[in-house]
Amino acid sequence: DTEVTQTPKHLVMGMTNKKSLKCEQHMGHRAMYWYKQKAKKPPELMFVYSYEKLSINESVPSRFSPECPNSSLLNLHLHALQPEDSALYLCASSQEGGSAQYFGPGTRLTVL
Amino acid sequence: AQSVSQHNHHVILSEAASLELGCNYSYGGTVNLFWYVQYPGQHLQLLLKYFSGDPLVKGIKGFEAEFIKSKFSFNLRKPSVQWSDTAEYFCAVMPYSGAGSYQLTFGKGTKLSVIP
Repeated sequence: DTEVTQTPKHLVMGMTNKKSLKCEQHMGHRAMYWYKQKAKKPPELMFVYSYEKLSINESVPSRFSPECPNSSLLNLHLHALQPEDSALYLCASSQEGGSAQYFGPGTRLTVL
Repeated sequence: AQSVSQHNHHVILSEAASLELGCNYSYGGTVNLFWYVQYPGQHLQLLLKYFSGDPLVKGIKGFEAEFIKSKFSFNLRKPSVQWSDTAEYFCAVMPYSGAGSYQLTFGKGTKLSVIP
């Protein structure tokens, strides 16, 4: 089973809202990732959690706040987003660093 | 930091034609290499991967890729494409070890359109 699930599938929010994206995997992977993908562009890495600790933050604005409650779950808390943050947010997981990453279906986020 | 270059932005082929998508990377050390596919409306799926060993790797759905170290290339091939292969294809590279081994860098992607 190489399934990564993400909820919600679609999210529309205003610039003053607070919302969260959720990601779950049951493959026993110890690394989890958040990516941002704009239309017709490749995914761009935002955050990496390794063994439930934040190991990489690719200079992402503080209005994005990741959280890893346990080894199977990854959240992305959103607050005071801008319209340019509208994108597909992808979660991925891998066994460990250097291993193949498996992607979820993504959350299509629209910021009004 | 590593970078990935995919030569073709959009490739249009007729069914049964052969496919080769180019990918070159830039990195000073050992890398792991991947091809991902994104079908219309679907999520990224791993097509194949190269870590070490035989430089010719086989993936799902009849795809294969060849790693040529001297050319820093990892080209994707399929002998005979089908309409269902219409998708966006991304080449990606990751350092083999160290802190960077979590950082998957994608090329800009190649859109493949297969005409029935």
